[in-house]
Amino acid sequence: AQSVAQPEDQVNVAEGNPLTVKCTYSVSGNPYLFWYVQYPNRGLQFLLKYITGDNLVKGSYGFEAEFNKSQTSFHLKKPSALVSDSALYFCAVRPNQAGTALIFGKGTTLSVSS
Amino acid sequence: NAGVTQTPKFRVLKTGQSMTLLCAQDMNHEYMYWYRQDPGMGLRLIHYSVGEGTTAKGEVPDGYNVSRLKKQNFLLGLESAAPSQTSVYFCASSYSNMGYTFGSGTRLTVV
Repeated sequence: AQSVAQPEDQVNVAEGNPLTVKCTYSVSGNPYLFWYVQYPNRGLQFLLKYITGDNLVKGSYGFEAEFNKSQTSFHLKKPSALVSDSALYFCAVRPNQAGTALIFGKGTTLSVSS
Repeated sequence: NAGVTQTPKFRVLKTGQSMTLLCAQDMNHEYMYWYRQDPGMGLRLIHYSVGEGTTAKGEVPDGYNVSRLKKQNFLLGLESAAPSQTSVYFCASSYSNMGYTFGSGTRLTVV
């Protein structure tokens, strides 16, 4: 079965420190990969996506993600965390097949302390 | 620049009642999706549509029905609501399965 795993329910970092939110996937072929962020009682906001090309993808708000095909991972990173980055982060995968929907991980809560 | 609009934003239902959630998009997207979000479960696909007049089941379709009579609208129906359907429902649309736009969600409570 195709799936997305976010192994950490919560990640805690201090403001100014680098952060990493992990994501691995199990999808056949060459999938498209996405990260979304959700603030409390809000909808999903798009951060970045990987389709093809450079393995390091830069997105909104200073976030970036590194695609690693051999490890089937797509970890979200930011060099210096802000308190305002505290939110729920979702990794999502779209199998490379027409008519398919995004498959989401269960989400990781990022908490940045001042 | 409306994007994807969900109606209503909040609703409380009694067990056994029915309701319809409306999703409308103004981007001429072919594909539309309904997800539900539950704590610790991420977003799970309920039903989706690849074009006007077509629908298909997702991961958790039981207890829901959908219709896509017009390209811009995707309706999600609950015929007989159950407490297990208490959730936040998100609609999304996409073009060529690439860019996805999400609505702001509908928070449904079934008592």
